[in-house]
Amino acid sequence: DGGITQSPKYLFRKEGQNVTLSCEQNLNHDAMYWYRQDPGQGLRLIYYSQIVNDFQKGDIAEGYSVSREKKESFPLTVTSAQKNPTAFYLCASTGQFNQPQHFGDGTRLSIL
Amino acid sequence: RKEVEQDPGPFNVPEGATVAFNCTYSNSASQSFFWYRQDCRKEPKLLMSVYSSGNEDGRFTAQLNRASQYISLLIRDSKLSDSATYLCVVIVGGGFKTIFGAGTRLFVKA
Repeated sequence: DGGITQSPKYLFRKEGQNVTLSCEQNLNHDAMYWYRQDPGQGLRLIYYSQIVNDFQKGDIAEGYSVSREKKESFPLTVTSAQKNPTAFYLCASTGQFNQPQHFGDGTRLSIL
Repeated sequence: RKEVEQDPGPFNVPEGATVAFNCTYSNSASQSFFWYRQDCRKEPKLLMSVYSSGNEDGRFTAQLNRASQYISLLIRDSKLSDSATYLCVVIVGGGFKTIFGAGTRLFVKA
């Protein structure tokens, strides 16, 4: 079945550590997105990529980095510069600009 | 002003009730409209698309009013399993810009 796979489901970060969240899709979608959701809040866009080897900052990119070396993969690194990383991170993709996004089941990141 | 605004609720309704959610958007270049459902601690899932002609999927009816820049979702005969947060989503034309509303929480009680 086609879909979006995020891993790990739960992740703990130590002070000063960079961590990378994985997002893989086999839907042949061009565009991929990363969102952050805090408890009781809406989705906030971190980064997005419309094609391979290209990506743009979203509304809250500071303290995060991404890469898009393959169409299927869009990993997100939460760097030590992100001082409040505890949140639910969601990856999404879409094939055409006017179509709805499909989401992975998310990664919960906490600070140790 | 937020680009997509929703009443955060919560809406507390008994089983069997009819409940309506509203959403307004500010960008007149918006082209596509959707409702998503998000269960607690889960990812958002597409519920239905929204068209000017209105569309229905079982107990759910969605409507778009382009002149008023307003989207609605009507749920009839509410079930306990309808309890969730409902997100209004707008895609602005010309690119991949998708805007999510903050969501409206619904609690259906026995």
